[in-house]
Amino acid sequence: DAGVIQSPRHEVTEMGQEVTLRCKPISGHDYLFWYRQTMMRGLELLIYFNNNVPIDDSGMPEDRFSAKMPNASFSTLKIQPSEPRDSAVYFCASSLLQQQYTGELFFGEGSRLTVL
Amino acid sequence: AQTVTQSQPEMSVQEAETVTLSCTYDTSESDYYLFWYKQPPSRQMILVIRQEAYKQQNATENRFSVNFQKAAKSFSLKISDSQLGDAAMYFCAYRSSGTSGSRLTFGEGTQLTVNP
Repeated sequence: DAGVIQSPRHEVTEMGQEVTLRCKPISGHDYLFWYRQTMMRGLELLIYFNNNVPIDDSGMPEDRFSAKMPNASFSTLKIQPSEPRDSAVYFCASSLLQQQYTGELFFGEGSRLTVL
Repeated sequence: AQTVTQSQPEMSVQEAETVTLSCTYDTSESDYYLFWYKQPPSRQMILVIRQEAYKQQNATENRFSVNFQKAAKSFSLKISDSQLGDAAMYFCAYRSSGTSGSRLTFGEGTQLTVNP
């Protein structure tokens, strides 16, 4: 079974441009998470969904960030307009309800974003 | 809010020897889960081991074991017979068993080098 698939793996863009990161969770998983990793702040939870519904978006840094999950097999994280401080690795992770109580999240390989 | 602290930014070990990575956490909850995740150069986060706070017995997974000291809020990872493939960034993580249980809080990470 394929793991969590993220695209693009690398994105370089200029300040002010719109960035869209994509995630395909493991088939059958009902939870989806977006994390951001930076040297300064480590790993931060941005938002998570359950059955395609956003449950907690308190980690989304500001209105420039938005996330959607139109169906069980696809999610996007959008930054508009992007700023240099958004440069980070963005991870998507998914899990099954049962695994919520054991903690195991399955992570994608991350999307490295560089905003010039 | 819960916090997780890893006080060793870097550690090194000789191949075949044993190394211990430290982690402390702060919480007012009595029931929770603790984890160690491994992040190799490929960037993908991989679950290494988990511990339920209500269990007194320390978790073990092959060459990986933990020393869970609930009163001291300490959760160290021991890697025995270290292998070159163990070289990675290791993250300690905390998850509440309450209604906010889906949120994983990570420590800053410890970069482990394995010397041949």
